[in-house]
Amino acid sequence: QKEVEQNSGPLSVPEGAIASLNCTYSDRGSQSFFWYRQYSGKSPELIMSIYSNGDKEDGRFTAQLNKASQYVSLLIRDSQPSDSATYLCAVNRGTALIFGKGTTLSVSS
Amino acid sequence: DTGVSQDPRHKITKRGQNVTFRCDPISEHNRLYWYRQTLGQGPEFLTYFQNEAQLEKSRLLSDRFSAERPKGSFSTLEIQRTEQGDSAMYLCASSTGQGANVLTFGAGSRLTVL
Repeated sequence: QKEVEQNSGPLSVPEGAIASLNCTYSDRGSQSFFWYRQYSGKSPELIMSIYSNGDKEDGRFTAQLNKASQYVSLLIRDSQPSDSATYLCAVNRGTALIFGKGTTLSVSS
Repeated sequence: DTGVSQDPRHKITKRGQNVTFRCDPISEHNRLYWYRQTLGQGPEFLTYFQNEAQLEKSRLLSDRFSAERPKGSFSTLEIQRTEQGDSAMYLCASSTGQGANVLTFGAGSRLTVL
């Protein structure tokens, strides 16, 4: 079992729709969870972090964490074409961050 | 504060040659990380430094790879006797090491081994 798993996609949604991205992780000792966005040819940039069970909202983005199920998700409301990118889920393993393969999101106008 | 800087941005080399990448982290960040990313994959952890001490190395970091951070500021990643499989983007990231340890990435150094 890989440490962090994501569906690679592509996930295609129309402009204005909700995009839902999912991630599972294997290490029950993980305490910190992150979503990074990576545009093609660019480096990852942090968009959300979450540390406790439940939801965390920041603008159009909502991160959800369920430690019992070892599951993290990211919802993007009112999706825009500029949201088209690869979304990377990252989970701490000690002081290192372990990344999933990423889910490619395509938002069509 | 200009963020995390990496140099060179692109490197093309022939198989068997040595290459070195440099990373300058955000000045107040005492943790520095190296990752490798290939097409269609997420960043893979290679190693990390707390100040000048290299505290963790991935099994991905073969004997041909060596990383240093001699004065706890900039870091170098050297690859000896490069192989075509080393072709990748090498990403450096830094963090304060405080709280949740949020990583800030540099633009990366893309290596092509012919």
